[in-house]
Amino acid sequence: SAVISQKPSRDICQRGTSLTIQCQVDSQVTMMFWYRQQPGQSLTLIATANQGSEATYESGFVIDKFPISRPNLTFSTLTVSNMSPEDSSIYLCSVGLQGITGELFFGEGSRLTVL
Amino acid sequence: GENVEQHPSTLSVQEGDSAVIKCTYSDSASNYFPWYKQELGKRPQLIIDIRSNVGEKKDQRIAVTLNKTAKHFSLHITETQPEDSAVYFCAASKTGNQFYFGTGTSLTVIP
Repeated sequence: SAVISQKPSRDICQRGTSLTIQCQVDSQVTMMFWYRQQPGQSLTLIATANQGSEATYESGFVIDKFPISRPNLTFSTLTVSNMSPEDSSIYLCSVGLQGITGELFFGEGSRLTVL
Repeated sequence: GENVEQHPSTLSVQEGDSAVIKCTYSDSASNYFPWYKQELGKRPQLIIDIRSNVGEKKDQRIAVTLNKTAKHFSLHITETQPEDSAVYFCAASKTGNQFYFGTGTSLTVIP
């Protein structure tokens, strides 16, 4: 398994500001993803965080709004830029372990409220 | 990307009865189908999964079936208990790559 630490766990932000969420894993992982879960909704894939290169974004998500960094195999950040109330959501970091094709592990999530 | 549909969105059963949740997927290349359980305020956690070379898998009270031809898979929970109450998500993936989740089913087991 993998232990995934995310911070902040929650934050209240003002419209127009940006917030960076950090994800730290206790082991090196091949696959690292960022998901958004709006209240009462499913998990929507934002992007795949690629180590050493630009993230791969899903349809409807762009780098200017959700810049992602992944400097190494254990750490990634997601920034939510120029926030609006519609960005209020839980953002989840998730990882797939190298050599184990299958289970996706999730962090505890970062609950953002934009006023 | 993949499109995963899930039904029903809500499900209430009496304790001891069975619950069935169904999902369909669009990408025939998907070959891994996990099911996640998310309790209120908690992170999703894997409860069972199935790969495309298998038609059925069982783990105690939980079973999953897969029909690759029809591109659908189902979760079956027998002898439901109140602690089974949660939101369940199906997902589809091409091995080791992005996971696409269904819309979720909120299961309530009534004591």
